[in-house]
Amino acid sequence: SAVISQKPSRDICQRGTSLTIQCQVDSQVTMMFWYRQQPGQSLTLIATANQGSEATYESGFVIDKFPISRPNLTFSTLTVSNMSPEDSSIYLCSVVTGSGQPQHFGDGTRLSIL
Amino acid sequence: GENVEQHPSTLSVQEGDSAVIKCTYSDSASNYFPWYKQELGKRPQLIIDIRSNVGEKKDQRIAVTLNKTAKHFSLHITETQPEDSAVYFCAATINQAGTALIFGKGTTLSVSS
Repeated sequence: SAVISQKPSRDICQRGTSLTIQCQVDSQVTMMFWYRQQPGQSLTLIATANQGSEATYESGFVIDKFPISRPNLTFSTLTVSNMSPEDSSIYLCSVVTGSGQPQHFGDGTRLSIL
Repeated sequence: GENVEQHPSTLSVQEGDSAVIKCTYSDSASNYFPWYKQELGKRPQLIIDIRSNVGEKKDQRIAVTLNKTAKHFSLHITETQPEDSAVYFCAATINQAGTALIFGKGTTLSVSS
């Protein structure tokens, strides 16, 4: 299966700042997604990263807070804007390589906001 | 909206016993149901999945069953081993394309030797 690399693996940020997380795949993929996993919780879909167009956001997530880019078939970024302590989570990129499923996850970015 | 409920939230078994985790979903259009295993500090890893046109699937000690009428699916692990200890998540597709997933809240499985 595809090798999915996320950067950074972890970061500690100040309140009010923004951080961009990168997801790089070693082969072209059909779909890319971003999830959030709050401490001790399940995974929640933030958005589907669409290549060359605006991402599709799930209820409760907005573009101003979580802008997403996907310039090509192997790369996507998620920015967490104007961070607050409630944004402390693991952010995970996932990809689908074929025509449907399955999804495979990157190692995630562990984000702490002070 | 779409919802996936998962039970139990914690499960403790003795090595060699079987473990069963159950999930129910609300959207009858869901057509794909994966199970992920997440060890502490690691990524979720796909362990088995099933599509809506199949009732059961087995891979060595792991099996998944699907009842579309009742809208529930289950993970069965036989001959459990300590390395099976992890958090297990079920999921179901939530969009017409059958790609985006909604996850259950997870089951923490502890296998004691």
